[in-house]
Amino acid sequence: QVQLQESGPGLVKPSETLSLTCIVSSGSISGYHWSWIRQPPGEGLEWIGHIYYSGSTTYNPSLKSRVTISVDMSKRQFSLNLNSMTAADTAVYYCARWAPCGGDCYYLDYWGQGTLVTVSS
Amino acid sequence: QAVLTQPSSLSASPGASASLTCTLRSGVNVDPYRIYWYQQKPGSPPQYLLRYKSDSDKHQGSGVPSRFSGSKDASANAGILFISGLQSEDEADYYCMLWHINAWVFGGGTKLTVL
Repeated sequence: QVQLQESGPGLVKPSETLSLTCIVSSGSISGYHWSWIRQPPGEGLEWIGHIYYSGSTTYNPSLKSRVTISVDMSKRQFSLNLNSMTAADTAVYYCARWAPCGGDCYYLDYWGQGTLVTVSS
Repeated sequence: QAVLTQPSSLSASPGASASLTCTLRSGVNVDPYRIYWYQQKPGSPPQYLLRYKSDSDKHQGSGVPSRFSGSKDASANAGILFISGLQSEDEADYYCMLWHINAWVFGGGTKLTVL
């Protein structure tokens, strides 16, 4: 059973950079795409970006200028950096794994429990 | 205008059926898209239900009951999640998702109430 666990600060000041890490346990990080997805309180889901285990990334165009996702195979983890944080970035941040479902089809099969990040001074 | 639009809420009775719609923006044709559906219960991350492009290109999530199924309504330019034999445990938020111009896009979600 693959398990994902997000870690990082629960409170970030405006204009600062958010750094979150997702630790992957009981499963291989190799061969998969990994994503960060967020959900403001009471609102819907927003895909932030994903990274392949090899390091190639794709980001949401609306966040691309502020986002960096990286992977550390040796530590079995991947990370999110989101700079210039504002109150609009307050959300539950989830990490998740993409599983293949044939051809160029993928779906999110394992998710972390999510971590609430509040942006406030 | 958002790429994907979902009704904010839907109510149905136990044992009945429900059709949750995911309408694509005008000018974005539903036909070539794989539409993914996720279920989210309060305090938990979303869970994958299924993916539907056509009857020959679909995928059911592991352990997802067959009473959850997908389809498309070309005339409405929408993807449909159909749930038959509604149970109280189906009460949740449902999100559609697709890959559009190099980005994953979610609909705003539909809160399904079973009462």
